[in-house]
Amino acid sequence: SAVISQKPSRDICQRGTSLTIQCQVDSQVTMMFWYRQQPGQSLTLIATANQGSEATYESGFVIDKFPISRPNLTFSTLTVSNMSPEDSSIYLCSAGTSGRGETQYFGPGTRLLVL
Amino acid sequence: TQLLEQSPQFLSIQEGENLTVYCNSSSVFSSLQWYRQEPGEGPVLLVTVVTGGEVKKLKRLTFQFGDARKDSSLHITAAQPGDTGLYLCAGARAGGTSYGKLTFGQGTILTVHP
Repeated sequence: SAVISQKPSRDICQRGTSLTIQCQVDSQVTMMFWYRQQPGQSLTLIATANQGSEATYESGFVIDKFPISRPNLTFSTLTVSNMSPEDSSIYLCSAGTSGRGETQYFGPGTRLLVL
Repeated sequence: TQLLEQSPQFLSIQEGENLTVYCNSSSVFSSLQWYRQEPGEGPVLLVTVVTGGEVKKLKRLTFQFGDARKDSSLHITAAQPGDTGLYLCAGARAGGTSYGKLTFGQGTILTVHP
């Protein structure tokens, strides 16, 4: 298993600004992912954070809006750029482990409100 | 695009009742995970099932992976208020560009009333 922490846990931001969310894993993992979730709803994958190379984005998400860094096997950041109220959401990072199934462990999430 | 249909979307029951949540797909998954999420927290892994026909038990929770690895169910016996939360199923495909990615069901919001 993996223990994941995220910072900040919540934030209130003004439109047009940017916020960087940090994700730290307590062990080296091959795969890290970033998701977005509306309260009470399912998760939408934003991108796969690749160590040492550019992130792989899902349809509907672009690097200019959600730049991602992954400098090593335990750390990643997601920036929400030029924010609008529509970006208000919960942002979650996860770490993927293989072995018995492709299991992902999730951080506690960052609750973002854009005014 | 793989779809994982989860039902029901909402479930409101009394303490002591039994319930079942279903996840169905036309796609084959190499593994399937079930998560539980409480408000203000991230999803917490309950179980991973890998083998077709596999049944796993976690106290009052029973998880089953379909023989063809296209569907799964979560059964809770004698539900308690502490079981309240959002339950998510997620399927994984091995290999290719989807390696490591999970396809999530829509989620089931379970409320257990005392």
